[in-house]
Amino acid sequence: GESVGLHLPTLSVQEGDNSIINCAYSNSASDYFIWYKQESGKGPQFIIDIRSNMDKRQGQRVTVLLNKTVKHLSLQIAATQPGDSAVYFCAENIPYGGSQGNLIFGKGTKLSVKP
Amino acid sequence: EADIYQTPRYLVIGTGKKITLECSQTMGHDKMYWYQQDPGMELHLIHYSYGVNSTEKGDLSSESTVSRIRTEHFPLTLESARPSHTSQYLCASRWAGSKETQYFGPGTRLLVL
Repeated sequence: GESVGLHLPTLSVQEGDNSIINCAYSNSASDYFIWYKQESGKGPQFIIDIRSNMDKRQGQRVTVLLNKTVKHLSLQIAATQPGDSAVYFCAENIPYGGSQGNLIFGKGTKLSVKP
Repeated sequence: EADIYQTPRYLVIGTGKKITLECSQTMGHDKMYWYQQDPGMELHLIHYSYGVNSTEKGDLSSESTVSRIRTEHFPLTLESARPSHTSQYLCASRWAGSKETQYFGPGTRLLVL
């Protein structure tokens, strides 16, 4: 079946450094992508999204880059803070078929921020 | 901040008991979802609904059932809980249009002894 996978299961960064979390997706027809942050004991929280007709989208301290040629998605966090420590999931939207509108989630990357 | 609620937040129950996990959203979202997630692992879709009286099974086979009698309410029921059902259950909702974000509730952590 289709899958969304992450290159690294864990990432450790120094406070103040920039973080980059990567994600590979396999469905070339996916038209919408979301990054979620999940803190321990909580549900996933929306961070930023991007549509397939865009290459880059910026939010507050976060930037998502989409490379459709190689089916790659990345989340960049600027000036990483201890509060950014969490598991980050990417998700892709299935635009067709019976599962239209359902998201496929990757395995997640755990980000640890060292003070 | 999304207005989606789940109760209970934590539940410890014995094998064979019937349980219902509640999920409510006040945003009027058409689509609702249930995911199962083991600690530190990916999310697996077990049920979803397009709207009232609509229920569909997700990618991961589950012994649970769901109902959607009201737009805002999407309860999940286990008729006979087993230790293998121990997990975190996450509810989510979104508008029906394409390219719409899913918003998640806080989750229910279930432990079946």
